[in-house]
Amino acid sequence: DAMVIQNPRYQVTQFGKPVTLSCSQTLNHNVMYWYQQKSSQAPKLLFHYYDKDFNNEADTPDNFQSRRPNTSFCFLDIRSPGLGDAAMYLCATSSPSGGVQEKLFFGSGTQLSVL
Amino acid sequence: GEDVEQSLFLSVREGDSSVINCTYTDSSSTYLYWYKQEPGAGLQLLTYIFSNMDMKQDQRLTVLLNKKDKHLSLRIADTQTGDSAIYFCAERTAGNKLTFGGGTRVLVKP
Repeated sequence: DAMVIQNPRYQVTQFGKPVTLSCSQTLNHNVMYWYQQKSSQAPKLLFHYYDKDFNNEADTPDNFQSRRPNTSFCFLDIRSPGLGDAAMYLCATSSPSGGVQEKLFFGSGTQLSVL
Repeated sequence: GEDVEQSLFLSVREGDSSVINCTYTDSSSTYLYWYKQEPGAGLQLLTYIFSNMDMKQDQRLTVLLNKKDKHLSLRIADTQTGDSAIYFCAERTAGNKLTFGGGTRVLVKP
């Protein structure tokens, strides 16, 4: 039944070692988002795709990249993780319709630890 | 600019009503949302309200919007222990972005 699926649930990486988090969706939504949520803080938008169009937030570090090979999948690549990148990473989707169903569907998140 | 603020913590007794408050600054908000996050989990959409409405009721949930004061509240009637979680309000603004508040941790005491 899960509609937005994130793998893995928990990820441990080493300082400076590249890591990839994955997200897939069964909703066929146009838009996919990546949020970073540090402990006891609000989720912070890193970037989003509207179909194949990539939209980076101005303050997202260059260390974070994303790929969307098709409608269903989106990846978050962290090129050189630092200790400050330890966080929960949330993927979300939406299908803008201009109507009242403007809402985001979130996955369960990937908790990233950096050692 | 976009800024969404919430109180940090709310404690309530089981069976009482909870009221969680939120203020926002962007007057161009189109939709406002309430999300629930349980420990170690993603965000679950609870309810939302369009900016031209001032109230929405959905079972135990009542959302009140005061657009003039840019104030949003969520009332949970008959609060249960399963309602213990962090509640985030969020606004959707131009550019189809969601900006979240810092979250209110609700603790329901038996």
